[in-house]
Amino acid sequence: DVKVTQSSRYLVKRTGEKVFLECVQDMDHENMFWYRQDPGLGLRLIYFSYDVKMKEKGDIPEGYSVSREKKERFSLILESASTNQTSMYLCASSFGTGTNEQFFGPGTRLTVL
Amino acid sequence: DQQVKQNSPSLSVQEGRISILNCDYTNSMFDYFLWYKKYPAEGPTFLISISSIKDKNEDGRFTVFLNKSAKHLSLHIVPSQPGDSAVYFCAASDSSGGYQKVTFGTGTKLQVIP
Repeated sequence: DVKVTQSSRYLVKRTGEKVFLECVQDMDHENMFWYRQDPGLGLRLIYFSYDVKMKEKGDIPEGYSVSREKKERFSLILESASTNQTSMYLCASSFGTGTNEQFFGPGTRLTVL
Repeated sequence: DQQVKQNSPSLSVQEGRISILNCDYTNSMFDYFLWYKKYPAEGPTFLISISSIKDKNEDGRFTVFLNKSAKHLSLHIVPSQPGDSAVYFCAASDSSGGYQKVTFGTGTKLQVIP
């Protein structure tokens, strides 16, 4: 079974703090993704990576950065957290190119006060 | 600009009846479509997909229909069961990006009433 794990289920941070969200997958997938889920807006892609050290902006990259130093690990960084970044963050991975399904982690509920 | 739209935020259906979840898209480049199911406090899980070369794909109780001319797809669940109660996301991708990037809809919350 593919497993995608996220470092925290719940996180509370203060405005202005630097926040790291970690994601690890154990199936040697090339592609990794970060989404945020908000009521009425569905899942929106923040960043994705198709290879180590490679990254592509998604639909809402502003205020975020990412890091992929190892194939299995993809980190989302909020350089200076703001209240409008309070959300559910979901990491996913998929294999190569082609019509391959994405496998999701359980999500991190981030609250920025 | 929402390229994948699910206009019904919620749907209630009696157990045993058919559930029909709808999805519209605007990008004519999309040629592969997926449905994901999400339970509370869990990540979405893949349910079923369809390529644009088909107009129907079936997997057990789940069938997805694609109407390319109308840019519309639907997910049918027959018969509906209480365990189907979840949020369903429609998603779409295209070959220009190797199908790696997927655009999700806003989701429809399905409640199956026992």
